[in-house]
Amino acid sequence: GAVVSQHPSWVICKSGTSVKIECRSLDFQATTMFWYRQFPKQSLMLMATSNEGSKATYEQGVEKDKFLINHASLTLSTLTVTSAHPEDSSFYICSARDVILSAYEQYFGPGTRLTVT
Amino acid sequence: QKEVEQNSGPLSVPEGAIASLNCTYSDRGSQSFFWYRQYSGKSPELIMSIYSNGDKEDGRFTAQLNKASQYVSLLIRDSQPSDSATYLCAVYHPTNFGNEKLTFGTGTRLTIIP
Repeated sequence: GAVVSQHPSWVICKSGTSVKIECRSLDFQATTMFWYRQFPKQSLMLMATSNEGSKATYEQGVEKDKFLINHASLTLSTLTVTSAHPEDSSFYICSARDVILSAYEQYFGPGTRLTVT
Repeated sequence: QKEVEQNSGPLSVPEGAIASLNCTYSDRGSQSFFWYRQYSGKSPELIMSIYSNGDKEDGRFTAQLNKASQYVSLLIRDSQPSDSATYLCAVYHPTNFGNEKLTFGTGTRLTIIP
């Protein structure tokens, strides 16, 4: 149980274009999903918390207009990196909570490696 | 002061020995504590959660929590080469807006030497 998938697993895009990353909870309903970013040799940094049917809550320093998050259903959240630049190249990881299994445990997707050229 | 602190390592342990990983946190209101394992290039995998003071055992893993000292640890018995990874300590504390938030330490890189 508690399986989270992400698509794509890796993507290369040109500077100035937009990229959409999908995060799905496969065997549970996720009222809350989280988006993290991890640069090489650094720890996970929370970008935003996404609640189904409402606006995402962004962490300080994360641009809302650049990182668009949509949590349209209990099993799907998407992150769109708009007008991507090389400095946005990173490992993007989503996680989800299964409130039935546990109030606080988060289960991570496999991550999406974004390279902006 | 960092909210969750871990020794970055690397920590080298002989195969078959006990690996001990430590974590301290600054927020006394923290309620739940987690250990994640992250292999290089992969996403974190939850291996232990602990909510109350004392020890919690799961197979070769034992998590220890001391809220008075604001200290969490993870012991890995009979260490195997496959245990070589970065171990992330994560602490849950509620935010003012009612959204839970996991704060991660920077991780301890563990290497098991055959």
